[in-house]
Amino acid sequence: DAGVIQSPRHEVTEMGQEVTLRCKPISGHNSLFWYRQTMMRGLELLIYFNNNVPIDDSGMPEDRFSAKMPNASFSTLKIQPSEPRDSAVYFCASSSDSGTGELFFGEGSRLTVL
Amino acid sequence: KQEVTQIPAALSVPEGENLVLNCSFTDSAIYNLQWFRQDPGKGLTSLLLIQSSQREQTSGRLNASLDKSSGRSTLYIAASQPGDSATYLCAATRSYNTDKLIFGTGTRLQVFP
Repeated sequence: DAGVIQSPRHEVTEMGQEVTLRCKPISGHNSLFWYRQTMMRGLELLIYFNNNVPIDDSGMPEDRFSAKMPNASFSTLKIQPSEPRDSAVYFCASSSDSGTGELFFGEGSRLTVL
Repeated sequence: KQEVTQIPAALSVPEGENLVLNCSFTDSAIYNLQWFRQDPGKGLTSLLLIQSSQREQTSGRLNASLDKSSGRSTLYIAASQPGDSATYLCAATRSYNTDKLIFGTGTRLQVFP
């Protein structure tokens, strides 16, 4: 199994630009989570999907952030316009309803907004 | 609201020591508790998962216990090695398996030769 795949691994952009992060969950997993990690705040859940439907987006910081899951094998997290305070590592994770709930993480996308 | 706390925040020990990492949670209505390892610049790797009906799980030199009544979990690492150096995070779900994990802030472990 390839695991959870995220792209890009690193992104450097200028303030005001649009950023799109991508995630491919483990095949057969039907829950997908987007987390953000910073030194100050640790790991924060932004949004999670179950069977492609957003269940809880209360962690999305503001309207500049949006996430979609058009099908079971792909999700995007978009920031428009980006700001320097959005600089962080963004993780995608997936799990299966039929399992124990064990969560599997991708390697993360490190975002730097100048 | 579930809150997860980990103590200590950092730990430095000589190789060979047995050590215990602590995790506390405020809401005992959890579905499962997971322990993760994170190496610098990397993602999180799942180490052990304890379901609410279980009291402990073991994998090699690692043993994790769960006491829901006291709101505590511990991760025991036997015969620590320099390769164990990493940040260890615990996380709890609420009442069902696909619910969101609430993470602690982690314990940064350094094992020196």
